[in-house]
Amino acid sequence: EPEVTQTPSHQVTQMGQEVILRCVPISNHLYFYWYRQILGQKVEFLVSFYNNEISEKSEIFDDQFSVERPDGSNFTLKIRSTKLEDSAMYFCASSVDSTGYNSPLHFGNGTRLTVT
Amino acid sequence: QKEVEQNSGPLSVPEGAIASLNCTYSDRGSQSFFWYRQYSGKSPELIMSIYSNGDKEDGRFTAQLNKASQYVSLLIRDSQPSDSATYLCAVKKNTGNQFYFGTGTSLTVIP
Repeated sequence: EPEVTQTPSHQVTQMGQEVILRCVPISNHLYFYWYRQILGQKVEFLVSFYNNEISEKSEIFDDQFSVERPDGSNFTLKIRSTKLEDSAMYFCASSVDSTGYNSPLHFGNGTRLTVT
Repeated sequence: QKEVEQNSGPLSVPEGAIASLNCTYSDRGSQSFFWYRQYSGKSPELIMSIYSNGDKEDGRFTAQLNKASQYVSLLIRDSQPSDSATYLCAVKKNTGNQFYFGTGTSLTVIP
C-alpha cells in the first residue's frame, strides 16, 4: 500500500538554526499538509498546500515557517530560526482531494524535532 | 469553543469487552468524520471514516454519526490488549482544507 514517507525520523538542532523536514506524499494525492504534535498534546494543523501554493495556514505557521514542493515528489517544511518551543513531532500528510469524502488524511511516520 | 472535543480518559476496559469512545464537534456544517488510532510515539493511523448519519461497521469497529446532535462515536467490540492506544477524532468542515483533531482518548485494554 502506498505510504507517505518522511525524513529524517529524528532531528536535533540548536536554537536559532534552520531545519528542513522532508516528505514524499502518496503519488496520486493532490493535497499536502503539515501537522505538529507537541509531546502529550493534540495534533495541530500548520499548513495545507495545493497546486504549488499554500491553500490554508494556521496561526502557528508564522514567518519562521515555509513550505515548498521543489520537484514532483518532495514536499518540505522549513523552520528558519528554531525556538525551543518548536520541539515537537512533525507529521506530513496527504489526501487525494479536499472534500473529505472518501479522502482521509494519510500520515507519514513523523519527524521528531528536538531544539536545544 | 473547541472545534472537536473528546474525553481524554484514560478509559480502561477488560479484554473482550466493548470500548465506547465519544466525540462532539462544533461546526454544524462539518461533513466528514474520521477515527484515527495513535500508538505512543507513532503517527495517527486511519481506522474508519463516516459521512452519513447512522452506523458504519468494519470488523470489530463501528462508527456512529448523529449530525443533529453533532456527535460521533466509535465502538470497539471484543477489545484486545493491542487496541490499547490513543484514539483521535478528526472532522473535516464543509469549507477549507483543514482537518480538525480532538485531543484524543487514551484506551487501555486490560488482559
